[in-house]
Amino acid sequence: LAKTTQPISMDSYEGQEVNITCSHNNIATNDYITWYQQFPSQGPRFIIQGYKTKVTNEVASLFIPADRKSSTLSLPRVSLSDTAVYYCLVGDIASGAGSYQLTFGKGTKLSVIP
Amino acid sequence: DAMVIQNPRYQVTQFGKPVTLSCSQTLNHNVMYWYQQKSSQAPKLLFHYYDKDFNNEADTPDNFQSRRPNTSFCFLDIRSPGLGDAAMYLCATSRVGGGYYNEQFFGPGTRLTVL
Repeated sequence: LAKTTQPISMDSYEGQEVNITCSHNNIATNDYITWYQQFPSQGPRFIIQGYKTKVTNEVASLFIPADRKSSTLSLPRVSLSDTAVYYCLVGDIASGAGSYQLTFGKGTKLSVIP
Repeated sequence: DAMVIQNPRYQVTQFGKPVTLSCSQTLNHNVMYWYQQKSSQAPKLLFHYYDKDFNNEADTPDNFQSRRPNTSFCFLDIRSPGLGDAAMYLCATSRVGGGYYNEQFFGPGTRLTVL
């Protein structure tokens, strides 16, 4: 399994763009990069997923360089409600078994300040 | 709305007294997961079912068991809870061949307290 490394915490003011970078040096060819958001006392929620280059959806963008050894989650114009823990995961599928395994890293606690 | 439901949301048990947590889903997903999340820590996968095939993580204690009687339901049994088993237990589902690769849908969790 590819291990991920993220900053433990980040602070940002409302309205700013936030970029959270995740390192995954041992990412394998079949691995996808996925980000989840978790509010206190709730289950994690899928935000975005990508394999390479750039992916954008209605809530975030994901930038993945050519070597795929890192990725950056970009949250445009954050608000107080974006205060949460953000997890970067690298997905691994057991070949032929059809089983899936995701390992959550420590996550980044984002605090948005008024 | 299709969703993942966990009952109860809060569960209190006594040291050593067996407890069962339940999870149901209306998403018709073929994979169901159980995670343990302790305070200020990341969720830790305990095991998962791919249809009826059970996959146990290597470091999941034997004290934890699971049952999946049908596609919609999955249970987590803790045979003899210890104080160290107090945590939030999260159920999640995913669909093989779905849009995003293994996008997991989480329930709200059951917070287990062991007295």
